[in-house]
Amino acid sequence: GESVGLHLPTLSVQEGDNSIINCAYSNSASDYFIWYKQESGKGPQFIIDIRSNMDKRQGQRVTVLLNKTVKHLSLQIAATQPGDSAVYFCAESPGTPLVFGKGTRLSVIA
Amino acid sequence: NAGVTQTPEFQVLKTGQSMTLQCAQDMNHEYMSWYRQDPGMGLRLIHYSVGAGITDQGEVPNGYNVSRSTTEDFPLRLLSAAPSQTSVYFCASSRQGAVDTQYFGPGTRLTVL
Repeated sequence: GESVGLHLPTLSVQEGDNSIINCAYSNSASDYFIWYKQESGKGPQFIIDIRSNMDKRQGQRVTVLLNKTVKHLSLQIAATQPGDSAVYFCAESPGTPLVFGKGTRLSVIA
Repeated sequence: NAGVTQTPEFQVLKTGQSMTLQCAQDMNHEYMSWYRQDPGMGLRLIHYSVGAGITDQGEVPNGYNVSRSTTEDFPLRLLSAAPSQTSVYFCASSRQGAVDTQYFGPGTRLTVL
């Protein structure tokens, strides 16, 4: 079946640098995408979402980019801080319940 | 608002025991769902509900039952616990169904011996 996946399982970034977390999706019918952040021992926390009629969406220090041509989603975090250390999940929905990727661990080096 | 709450936070069961994981939300959300998360895995959908009185199976429903008698509550029942059900269980809710922001509870950490 089709599934959501991630290019990099772990990512280490120097504090203050920008982080880019990538996600590939294979279901061309997906029209809604979400990024979640999960800190150790906690439930996933919504970061930002984007619908398929958009290519880019910005939040506070975060930007999500959607490239439907190559079925690619990315999360950019500006000026990465120690508090950004967590596992980040992308999820997609083709109108059905969300399908989650396995996650990327972001480690911020002080 | 308390958001999505889950009880208990931790639970240890013996194989064959049954129990109910509680989930409640106070946001008047119609859509609720249960996920399990295993080490190194993403979240896998167990069951979901689009409204009171309506439930449906997700990706991994075997060994679990749900009911939705009220908008607020969505309990998950383990009928006969097995070691393979050792996992962290998350409940989530959203206002407008699957294609909407899901708000997650803090999780229940279940160990089956």
